[in-house]
Amino acid sequence: GEDVEQSLFLSVREGDSSVINCTYTDSSSTYLYWYKQEPGAGLQLLTYIFSNMDMKQDQRLTVLLNKKDKHLSLRIADTQTGDSAIYFCAGKTSYDKVIFGPGTSLSVIP
Amino acid sequence: EAGVAQSPRYKIIEKRQSVAFWCNPISGHATLYWYQQILGQGPKLLIQFQNNGVVDDSQLPKDRFSAERLKGVDSTLKIQPAKLEDSAVYLCASSLGRSSYEQYFGPGTRLTVT
Repeated sequence: GEDVEQSLFLSVREGDSSVINCTYTDSSSTYLYWYKQEPGAGLQLLTYIFSNMDMKQDQRLTVLLNKKDKHLSLRIADTQTGDSAIYFCAGKTSYDKVIFGPGTSLSVIP
Repeated sequence: EAGVAQSPRYKIIEKRQSVAFWCNPISGHATLYWYQQILGQGPKLLIQFQNNGVVDDSQLPKDRFSAERLKGVDSTLKIQPAKLEDSAVYLCASSLGRSSYEQYFGPGTRLTVT
């Protein structure tokens, strides 16, 4: 079945860039997403990319999609302590089901 | 615009008891989702409604879980009887339609089964 994988932990210093990586198996995914989850809160959509795009930039966020390798990454520029959270990669299948990865816990060191 | 509302926020029950969660989606959203998020994992879809009809319940443990969305608006998810492994956060989400790119999530209900 469909699967999404991510590294579980990432630690960066405040002001550095963070790169969170994700791989997925469903080559027919229509949309790919990055969600953010802060402690005790629901999921917040950070950004998304349509499957026919290679890159999307939105302020401090840059999403890169390599369809050939089924690899998605999220770069956060000038990482701040408020960016500390769990980041979920997710893909929407061709039959409109969203599959989430296990999440990457980002820790920002002041 | 009000977001997705869920209640209760927290629930502690003993195994073999029953429990129900409630979700009120964003007004006008036709599609409603229930997800189970076990600690340390990503959300897993349990059931998806389009208006008051079930679109996908392939991962719902139907021997103990049930869900309904009778009038195509709010929804309830029930577990009866609960098992220890049901301890998780239950997230409700809604979207304008199945093809919409964005789902809006509620804050979740944290269930602890002892």
